[in-house]
Amino acid sequence: AQRVTQPEKLLSVFKGAPVELKCNYSYSGSPELFWYVQYSRQRLQLLLRHISRESIKGFTADLNKGETSFHLKKPFAQEEDSAMYYCALRVPEKLVFGKGTKLTVNP
Amino acid sequence: GAGVSQSPSNKVTEKGKDVELRCDPISGHTALYWYRQSLGQGLEFLIYFQGNSAPDKSGLPSDRFSAERTGGSVSTLTIQRTQQEDSAVYLCASSLEGLAGGLNEQFFGPGTRLTVL
Repeated sequence: AQRVTQPEKLLSVFKGAPVELKCNYSYSGSPELFWYVQYSRQRLQLLLRHISRESIKGFTADLNKGETSFHLKKPFAQEEDSAMYYCALRVPEKLVFGKGTKLTVNP
Repeated sequence: GAGVSQSPSNKVTEKGKDVELRCDPISGHTALYWYRQSLGQGLEFLIYFQGNSAPDKSGLPSDRFSAERTGGSVSTLTIQRTQQEDSAVYLCASSLEGLAGGLNEQFFGPGTRLTVL
């Protein structure tokens, strides 16, 4: 069965420190992964998707099929990065989400 | 243009009552999705519409839950005989085409927070 696991419920870092939000998936088909972000009092929005190989707001994520992972990384965290982050897997016409990681970036 | 809108933004109801939640997708978006966001559970898929048809309703938790979409636009999620465990934020999303259509992105609404007393 398809599953997305985000092992960290909460993650706290200091401004300027590197941050990595972990995501692992389980899926028998060809995976397509996404990261969604929800800032306080805002709606859920797409941050990035692996097929675009883009960097948004300094975040990157690489799909590692061998490790079935799609970790989100940023070399220097900013306070405005504080938000809830969800990893999602396309299966195939819907998204299966992880339970999310709340990132807090302290000044 | 306007994004996905949902109404009401908040709904408080008593156990056993029926509720209807409404979603207005982005104009021209053929695909519409309902998700439920519960504390500690992340987002759970409920149902997906392509046009007015629902090819995937596998996420509806029980037969108390139903949804329809009319005119390829507005969708209504109905919960009958509400229970306290139905309390959650119900999110609607739409996309231009289905997700299998390549770079199609889901745009989310602000959600309806349902509280069942």
